[in-house]
Amino acid sequence: DTAVSQTPKYLVTQMGNDKSIKCEQNLGHDTMYWYKQDSKKFLKIMFSYNNKELIINETVPNRFSPKSPDKAHLNLHINSLELGDSAVYFCASSQDTGTYNEQYFGPGTRLTVT
Amino acid sequence: SQQGEEDPQALSIQEGENATMNCSYKTSINNLQWYRQNSGRGLVHLILIRSNEREKHSGRLRVTLDTSKKSSSLLITASRAADTASYFCATALTGANSKLTFGKGITLSVRP
Repeated sequence: DTAVSQTPKYLVTQMGNDKSIKCEQNLGHDTMYWYKQDSKKFLKIMFSYNNKELIINETVPNRFSPKSPDKAHLNLHINSLELGDSAVYFCASSQDTGTYNEQYFGPGTRLTVT
Repeated sequence: SQQGEEDPQALSIQEGENATMNCSYKTSINNLQWYRQNSGRGLVHLILIRSNEREKHSGRLRVTLDTSKKSSSLLITASRAADTASYFCATALTGANSKLTFGKGITLSVRP
């Protein structure tokens, strides 16, 4: 069984469109994350939610809006897509916000904006 | 600026050899973690070392941490072709919840 799943795996869209990426974890974890990995493989955290509450919000354009309907789901909605949004987006989860927790990553969503 | 920086950026070795990868960071940490990423896949946690630990082992993996030099190394012994992947160090700062700051990664190629 997949622990952290994301849909879709690939997303190709045009500039200016709005798109969403969905993430679900079946590990019973309280904390979930969104990361962006650029073409040079640099991985940067965007958001983190703990039990549906936003706890980390890095300097991300407000075109990006995460939503957590319950603690097993964390979706990412992106408005007015730009070329620079092209990247691989990873969802991850951890047991809670404790600093000694390992994170479990989803397979990633490759977003290409043309 | 980035917290973790890995060195070298790329490493190519023969199967059976040992691979050593280094990570340096800038500020005091609570713990340091290493992750592996196979091509086109998500990251997989390998090992966590706490700031009060100096060395840790897991199977063919050995991690060291030198907080005075703000550096860590990951040693993979008797490498296999299946170890070909990118390896990332990630640091957790004290009091920073569960936030991890990742380095840019090291690309390891193990030639059969």
